[in-house]
Amino acid sequence: DAGVTQSPTHLIKTRGQQVTLRCSPKSGHDTVSWYQQALGQGPQFIFQYYEEEERQRGNFPDRFSGHQFPNYSSELNVNALLLGDSALYLCASSLGPGSAYEQYFGPGTRLTVT
Amino acid sequence: ELKVEQNPLFLSMQEGKNYTIYCNYSTTSDRLYWYRQDPGKSLESLFVLLSNGAVKQEGRLMASLDTKARLSTLHITAAVHDLSATYFCASQGGSEKLVFGKGTKLTVNP
Repeated sequence: DAGVTQSPTHLIKTRGQQVTLRCSPKSGHDTVSWYQQALGQGPQFIFQYYEEEERQRGNFPDRFSGHQFPNYSSELNVNALLLGDSALYLCASSLGPGSAYEQYFGPGTRLTVT
Repeated sequence: ELKVEQNPLFLSMQEGKNYTIYCNYSTTSDRLYWYRQDPGKSLESLFVLLSNGAVKQEGRLMASLDTKARLSTLHITAAVHDLSATYFCASQGGSEKLVFGKGTKLTVNP
């Protein structure tokens, strides 16, 4: 049973560019959440997708956007990259939305903005 | 707004010693999680605590939850070097998001 997978593992971008990160949920899971973890900090919630819609959003600007596909996989897009966007981006999947279901984390994508 | 505070943020201990990491949260929580993170890696789930008085143990780690005090503890018994990592607690209080503490960086010295 495959767990949560994310791609790419690492990437390097330049300020002002755009980036797309991808996540495939654990088998049987239909809900995907995204978190940003800056160096030395705890993860911060970006948003959650369920039934192809954004259910809840954390305190992140509109430069951060997402999408969920019919197969439940998800993308995180970040436009106009800033140096401060350098972080580990974690995807988590769960059996459903809300607090009734445990979130399972993927291996993360390390984004470096230069 | 739910806030989670961990202490200490840094912990250096000798092998064989015991210590406790504390996690306080500000509002009602449905679930309390403990994670381990090694440098450059993702989060490894250690414990999920659901109810008042819950206690879970795995090896040298034991976690407990006191919902009335809004406090969870992670107790380390007879520490070994392999436990060196950063430990996070996270609370999920009736919404979609997990709110994490800042983490406790544990170093176990021989």
